[in-house]
Amino acid sequence: QKEVEQDPGPLSVPEGAIVSLNCTYSNSAFQYFMWYRQYSRKGPELLMYTYSSGNKEDGRFTAQVDKSSKYISLFIRDSQPSDSATYLCAMTRDTGNQFYFGTGTSLTVIP
Amino acid sequence: NAGVTQTPKFRILKIGQSMTLQCTQDMNHNYMYWYRQDPGMGLKLIYYSVGAGITDKGEVPNGYNVSRSTTEDFPLRLELAAPSQTSVYFCASSYSGYQPQHFGDGTRLSIL
Repeated sequence: QKEVEQDPGPLSVPEGAIVSLNCTYSNSAFQYFMWYRQYSRKGPELLMYTYSSGNKEDGRFTAQVDKSSKYISLFIRDSQPSDSATYLCAMTRDTGNQFYFGTGTSLTVIP
Repeated sequence: NAGVTQTPKFRILKIGQSMTLQCTQDMNHNYMYWYRQDPGMGLKLIYYSVGAGITDKGEVPNGYNVSRSTTEDFPLRLELAAPSQTSVYFCASSYSGYQPQHFGDGTRLSIL
């Protein structure tokens, strides 16, 4: 079983839609959770960084962590064509030296 | 602010050739990482370093070598290039093992 599972998509939505992206994980020791956005031919850039369970909001983006279910989500409100990218989840332990990444979900927002 | 800089951006190698992928960061981060990214496979960790003079293997280290003589630089060496090493290579850095990693824009390497 992989440490982190992420549906690769592709996901296609109309402009203005609410997008939900998800990852599940198997290691209960993970404490730090991240979402990265990766445009074509670019490196991943950090979108959200959260610790333990709960919600965190930043503009149109909301990250949600449910440690009891080993499930994390990223919600994008009022999606824009500029949100078209691949979204990667990542996580690590508080004593870890390594991050564990999902394989990424490809999102296209259609104008 | 440059962040993480990788050179070259593109390279084509012949089988058996060697090369060094360069990575430098200007954020005074202790931790640095090398990943490879293949289509549909996500990011796989090759090597990482927790400080100058300290390196350790990741998930897929075979065929690669690294060194960390300064805080800023973390070069990745391919000694005998093989077609299986065709990939996009990303360097990243972070302040600690659980702080977010900052990525460069990658080196696209083809081995023919």
